[in-house]
Amino acid sequence: GDSVTQMEGPVTLSEEAFLTINCTYTATGYPSPFWYVQYPGEGLQLLLKATKADDKGSNKGFEATYRKETTSFHLEKGSVQVSDSAVYFCALSDPAEGGKLIFGQGTELSVKP
Amino acid sequence: EAGVAQSPRYKIIEKRQSVAFWCNPISGHATLYWYQQILGQGPKLLIQFQNNGVVDDSQLPKDRFSAERLKGVDSTLKIQPAKLEDSAVYLCASSFREGTSIRTDTQYFGPGTRLTVL
Repeated sequence: GDSVTQMEGPVTLSEEAFLTINCTYTATGYPSPFWYVQYPGEGLQLLLKATKADDKGSNKGFEATYRKETTSFHLEKGSVQVSDSAVYFCALSDPAEGGKLIFGQGTELSVKP
Repeated sequence: EAGVAQSPRYKIIEKRQSVAFWCNPISGHATLYWYQQILGQGPKLLIQFQNNGVVDDSQLPKDRFSAERLKGVDSTLKIQPAKLEDSAVYLCASSFREGTSIRTDTQYFGPGTRLTVL
């Protein structure tokens, strides 16, 4: 079945630093990748997604490009803030798997002032 | 628009007891999912409903877990009897408005129910 591998955490950065969280996947069909975020004490929220190859999803200063040739969807942000501290999950939706989301293990980000 | 509602938010039980969780999806969403999130891991699908029919329950431990979706709206997930390893957050999500591609549709998650089995 499909699987998602993302960078292990925790990741600790200073405010205004550049962020990259790597995500790669294996899939049997033509999937769509997503990034979800879980802030402390809150539920999962969609951060961004891509619908076709080479699409770039973006939201709140975060970006990720769907690279079908390298089966990757790395998350980036040019300048992180303390409020970005959260757990970030890469996920995949594959019609060959019925549309369920397959999640990576999550990467905890801590941003220090 | 109201989000996905879940209750209770927290539950503590002894092993071998039973427990039930409730979910009310976003109005108009035909597809409902239950995920289990064990501490330090990503969520894993337990069961997926399309309207009131089961689409995928391959990862549901059917000897102890059961779920139903009445009239294609609300859903309940039950565990009976609970084991220590069932301690987790149980997440409900909904998606798939009519006419949307299943591949790209966004799933919206509720706040989850944190279950502790002692």
